[in-house]
Amino acid sequence: DSGVTQTPKHLITATGQRVTLRCSPRSGDLSVYWYQQSLDQGLQFLIQYYNGEERAKGNILERFSAQQFPDLHSELNLSSLELGDSALYFCASSPGQGSRTEAFFGQGTRLTVV
Amino acid sequence: SQQGEEDPQALSIQEGENATMNCSYKTSINNLQWYRQNSGRGLVHLILIRSNEREKHSGRLRVTLDTSKKSSSLLITASRAADTASYFCATDGKDSSYKLIFGSGTRLLVRP
Repeated sequence: DSGVTQTPKHLITATGQRVTLRCSPRSGDLSVYWYQQSLDQGLQFLIQYYNGEERAKGNILERFSAQQFPDLHSELNLSSLELGDSALYFCASSPGQGSRTEAFFGQGTRLTVV
Repeated sequence: SQQGEEDPQALSIQEGENATMNCSYKTSINNLQWYRQNSGRGLVHLILIRSNEREKHSGRLRVTLDTSKKSSSLLITASRAADTASYFCATDGKDSSYKLIFGSGTRLLVRP
């Protein structure tokens, strides 16, 4: 158990809908990362927050947004969903910034868009 | 785009043999990390090597880093069936240590 909790574990929704994925980082970790993993794209970095502030952005679509709350949990909002958004979405946390410390991954949310 | 690219994409070996995976990256880095992923599950951190280090060991794992060639290798010695997983390298960029970018991974199959 990494200590990172992601909910829900599975999500099935229709095209055009909006969903929210939630992540609770390990106690004391200030950084939260979001990744998308699909079969053909590998593990894609979406966005990173550090202590409530956005620090780095990857290839995150405009239809996607995220935030980190004062209690350090984070949410990833996906809207106007398309079939191609079906993927595993991982959240990771670390005590420090970027590659200076190891990241701890949650078990992921499997999103299926039908 | 990926910062790191692993090679080979897939590797199949017999239990007891050594497995070597390589990672190449594009820009200067502060550190490089290796992670393991069992099918469909979260990634697990294996080892972190800093840009001023050349080699690091952890149990049956040996990681090397050659910053002049922008490459790293992960060696798993005396492999076991339980080592079957995907292995990823992850890097940042010296311009932004906040990003942790993963390569495309090597799928390792260890046959009993």
